[in-house]
Amino acid sequence: AQKVTQAQTEISVVEKEDVTLDCVYETRDTTYYLFWYKQPPSGELVFLIRRNSFDEQNEISGRYSWNFQKSTSSFNFTITASQVVDSAVYFCALSETIDSGGSNYKLTFGKGTLLTVNP
Amino acid sequence: DTEVTQTPKHLVMGMTNKKSLKCEQHMGHRAMYWYKQKAKKPPELMFVYSYEKLSINESVPSRFSPECPNSSLLNLHLHALQPEDSALYLCASSQDTGTGLIYEQYFGPGTRLTVT
Repeated sequence: AQKVTQAQTEISVVEKEDVTLDCVYETRDTTYYLFWYKQPPSGELVFLIRRNSFDEQNEISGRYSWNFQKSTSSFNFTITASQVVDSAVYFCALSETIDSGGSNYKLTFGKGTLLTVNP
Repeated sequence: DTEVTQTPKHLVMGMTNKKSLKCEQHMGHRAMYWYKQKAKKPPELMFVYSYEKLSINESVPSRFSPECPNSSLLNLHLHALQPEDSALYLCASSQDTGTGLIYEQYFGPGTRLTVT
């Protein structure tokens, strides 16, 4: 069965600290996709990154970086020099193909990590 | 433009009312989704439309009735809801290539529904 575990329920840091959000997944699919979303207090989920299972290169986008390790089924997210605006709930999600043609899929979300960045 | 719009932003309805939530996207996406999110929980998938056809119904009660009038619009008709249906309802869309590639979903701001 598909499963995404975000073991950190809440993290609190002081501005300018680096913070890593953990994500561990389980899947029976040989090809799958992983995602990170940010949900600020306003409620909208904001897409951050999509990574397929064949691409294990780490990615950096500004202050954000992602470490994908297939061997440990992990897709961790690091924010460097955190800012107050980074305060949000962060969700890791895993794709699950619904039909044999592969065109329908659903996302399995982790429970989310609430990040609070204090000034 | 990666915008998904939803109306209304807030809705309060009684258990005997009939109301509709609306969602619109102009990204040319052919897959659209309805999610329900309770406080401090992840989003839960309700329905998936692919090329204007309902492809996934996650055993949602019939008091929720989805409709996809065209490739840009998605509605969720509500009737005889219960107080426990109070939640944030999120709409999303994504490319649907039918080739097995999976693309990210873009979410709208949601409708915060309260059932009294």
